[in-house]
Amino acid sequence: AQSVTQLDSQVPVFEEAPVELRCNYSSSVSVYLFWYVQYPNQGLQLLLKYLSGSTLVKGINGFEAEFNKSQTSFHLRKPSVHISDTAEYFCAVIQGDFNKFYFGSGTKLNVKP
Amino acid sequence: SQTIHQWPATLVQPVGSPLSLECTVEGTSNPNLYWYRQAAGRGLQLLFYSVGIGQISSEVPQNLSASRPQDRQFILSSKKLLLSDSGFYLCAWRNQGARGYGYTFGSGTRLTVV
Repeated sequence: AQSVTQLDSQVPVFEEAPVELRCNYSSSVSVYLFWYVQYPNQGLQLLLKYLSGSTLVKGINGFEAEFNKSQTSFHLRKPSVHISDTAEYFCAVIQGDFNKFYFGSGTKLNVKP
Repeated sequence: SQTIHQWPATLVQPVGSPLSLECTVEGTSNPNLYWYRQAAGRGLQLLFYSVGIGQISSEVPQNLSASRPQDRQFILSSKKLLLSDSGFYLCAWRNQGARGYGYTFGSGTRLTVV
């Protein structure tokens, strides 16, 4: 079965600094990759997704992620964060069975003024 | 446009009491429906999914159950809650024909079992 690893449970960063949230998964065979954001006490909102084509995908709120098949990674990046980016971010993978998302354990991004 | 509704938003229930959480989807037909649980400090765990009325697949054995009495209604239930059932419950849907596309999540229900 697929597994998704988000090594950083918390990432503190100052406002306007760049940030990278790491995501690694176990198998690259026919995978679709996603990043979701969750604000406190809310559901998850799709940030971006990789289905095929260009390995660099751009999402909402200035985020982007790069699919690296050889390293089985899908790291999320933003060149300059805002206070409003403070939230929890989840990486997710679909492989084969489209009824089963495999989620990472989440990374809490804390943007400080 | 499609929307997904979950209620209640928050719930405090005593141990041993029953549970019923409801999720409905509007603006689409024959969606795939999902229940996830997010426990404190942990990621999201798929509990149940349904590809049609009366069709339920269980991913994790526990004292919870799910039902889909109507096309766009998904219910999560328990006869007797445990302390370990506390968590944030999320309903989600996906178009069956949209292979590779992500879920759309509801706003969640915060359940605290006391």
